[in-house]
Amino acid sequence: EAGVTQSPTHLIKTRGQQATLRCSPISGHTSVYWYQQALGLGLQFLLWYDEGEERNRGNFPPRFSGRQFPNYSSELNVNALELEDSALYLCASSLGDTQYFGPGTRLTVL
Amino acid sequence: GEDVEQSLFLSVREGDSSVINCTYTDSSSTYLYWYKQEPGAGLQLLTYIFSNMDMKQDQRLTVLLNKKDKHLSLRIADTQTGDSAIYFCAESRPAGNKLTFGGGTRVLVKP
Repeated sequence: EAGVTQSPTHLIKTRGQQATLRCSPISGHTSVYWYQQALGLGLQFLLWYDEGEERNRGNFPPRFSGRQFPNYSSELNVNALELEDSALYLCASSLGDTQYFGPGTRLTVL
Repeated sequence: GEDVEQSLFLSVREGDSSVINCTYTDSSSTYLYWYKQEPGAGLQLLTYIFSNMDMKQDQRLTVLLNKKDKHLSLRIADTQTGDSAIYFCAESRPAGNKLTFGGGTRVLVKP
């Protein structure tokens, strides 16, 4: 069974640009979660989507947004990129309580 | 509060047992998890324990939960060099479904 997949693996942007990160959940999983792992800040919860709706949001500004598609895949969009947005962005999926993570997208903002 | 705390570093000899400790503050936690992260990789789920359990064993892994002290531990028996990684404990709660992670414990296994 294929695990959670994320694309791209690496993304390099300049300050002020927009970044789009993508995630495909494990087949049959309806919930998708996004986390940010920034150096020195640890793993922080960003967003939770379930059945196409945003269910919960972490303490991040509105320029972090996303959506979930009818096939349960998800996009994370980060607008007006700032240097401190440089991080590993991890996507997870679940059917119940347990979250399974993808390999991450490393975003570098120059 | 939402703090989950772990020690930063653990060094262990190959073949010995490793014990990684974690404390949490929220008594409403439903599940507690252990994840492993190797360099440049995502998080691999190792094991989890439901909050009404005291112990769970899964091959070389033993999880102990002390609800009174809000203390969680992960014991790895017969530690191998491939166990060198960062280990994160995490708690989940009924509302919001988010995981709250500790800062991670870097385990170094020496031959």
